[in-house]
Amino acid sequence: DQQVKQNSPSLSVQEGRISILNCDYTNSMFDYFLWYKKYPAEGPTFLISISSIKDKNEDGRFTVFLNKSAKHLSLHIVPSQPGDSAVYFCAASERYGGATNKLIFGTGTLLAVQP
Amino acid sequence: KAGVTQTPRYLIKTRGQQVTLSCSPISGHRSVSWYQQTPGQGLQFLFEYFSETQRNKGNFPGRFSGRQFSNSRSEMNVSTLELGDSALYLCASSLTDRKGTQYFGPGTRLTVL
Repeated sequence: DQQVKQNSPSLSVQEGRISILNCDYTNSMFDYFLWYKKYPAEGPTFLISISSIKDKNEDGRFTVFLNKSAKHLSLHIVPSQPGDSAVYFCAASERYGGATNKLIFGTGTLLAVQP
Repeated sequence: KAGVTQTPRYLIKTRGQQVTLSCSPISGHRSVSWYQQTPGQGLQFLFEYFSETQRNKGNFPGRFSGRQFSNSRSEMNVSTLELGDSALYLCASSLTDRKGTQYFGPGTRLTVL
């Protein structure tokens, strides 16, 4: 049962335009969400996060939007640059009786930014 | 500040053998988590350690085990290796004990022949 879904395996965008990566989740107990970028043969790199008490968080070119009623979040990259080409993972953390850093990851979206 | 380091970076083993992977977290981080990445299953949580205690375990067989030392360094062990254990094993560290941002190491690429 895939609790975090990234339904678009790939996305191609022109340099300078906006990239929008989407993520859906099914578990209503998730209350913290993160986006990671991953290059081949490297570990994921943290990009941005958002708590369920917010609906938007912005950091430079990256903005994450959270729609709790739709159980949907998206990552906007503006403007897109060729160096942004990578696999992007959405991840979620569950509200838990105790402390935890366990993350549930989506399957990833390969972003290709064309010069 | 140095990032998360993992050793070795690449490993080739044969079925039935066992393997130990090592992870050194970012200085000051006390939480260490392990993940397995495979083409078919994606990134899956293995287990998490905080202050030398395993706090959480994913849905993996008992052949997968780990431990954390007093200096927060962590090791994971896989016994009786199977072909399906071939994967990228990622270690992540976090400063806090709950919902902290996790910073990943480069991973150990394990190939089981």
